[in-house]
Amino acid sequence: NAGVTQTPKFRILKIGQSMTLQCTQDMNHNYMYWYRQDPGMGLKLIYYSVGAGITDKGEVPNGYNVSRSTTEDFPLRLELAAPSQTSVYFCASSLKNTEAFFGQGTRLTVV
Amino acid sequence: GENVEQHPSTLSVQEGDSAVIKCTYSDSASNYFPWYKQELGKRPQLIIDIRSNVGEKKDQRIAVTLNKTAKHFSLHITETQPEDSAVYFCAVATTTSGTYKYIFGTGTRLKVLA
Repeated sequence: NAGVTQTPKFRILKIGQSMTLQCTQDMNHNYMYWYRQDPGMGLKLIYYSVGAGITDKGEVPNGYNVSRSTTEDFPLRLELAAPSQTSVYFCASSLKNTEAFFGQGTRLTVV
Repeated sequence: GENVEQHPSTLSVQEGDSAVIKCTYSDSASNYFPWYKQELGKRPQLIIDIRSNVGEKKDQRIAVTLNKTAKHFSLHITETQPEDSAVYFCAVATTTSGTYKYIFGTGTRLKVLA
């Protein structure tokens, strides 16, 4: 099992550009999450999903979109990138009331 | 929505001493309370967890206690070692309105001084 795989690991975007952060898991987990972690700060929930076809906004959803067409994949879309979106992004997945497994993170810089 | 507060934000202890980190939460429907350790540049990893039907759980030098009435839970690390230095996050899993989500505390940077 690969666990949770995120791509890319690093990315530099110019202001106004768009990109998709990919996340896939091979553990057949129902629940998937996207977090952002600013330097020296905690994990803020952007979006989450309880299963294929169902997504919900978390604490900081503005500027992002997600989709969940399959159990395995949960991509995060950034439209019109802004410097405030410079952060490390983590995707995670879990079953109910069990450990959340994290991807290795994507370090995004918007210049 | 769920609010998770974590204290302290930084903690320095001498090697061999104990460290305690506390979290409070707001949603009484919360029923799973994990703790994660994040080393510099790495992803968070689970170190211990507790479910709502248990008051205390221990794993070697690490223990977690839960008080559902007061809505708080704590991480206890005994006989701290330099390799315990990291950022620790509490988290709360909440089932509300038919959905399920994981909310993290703001983190505690633990430094163990040799």
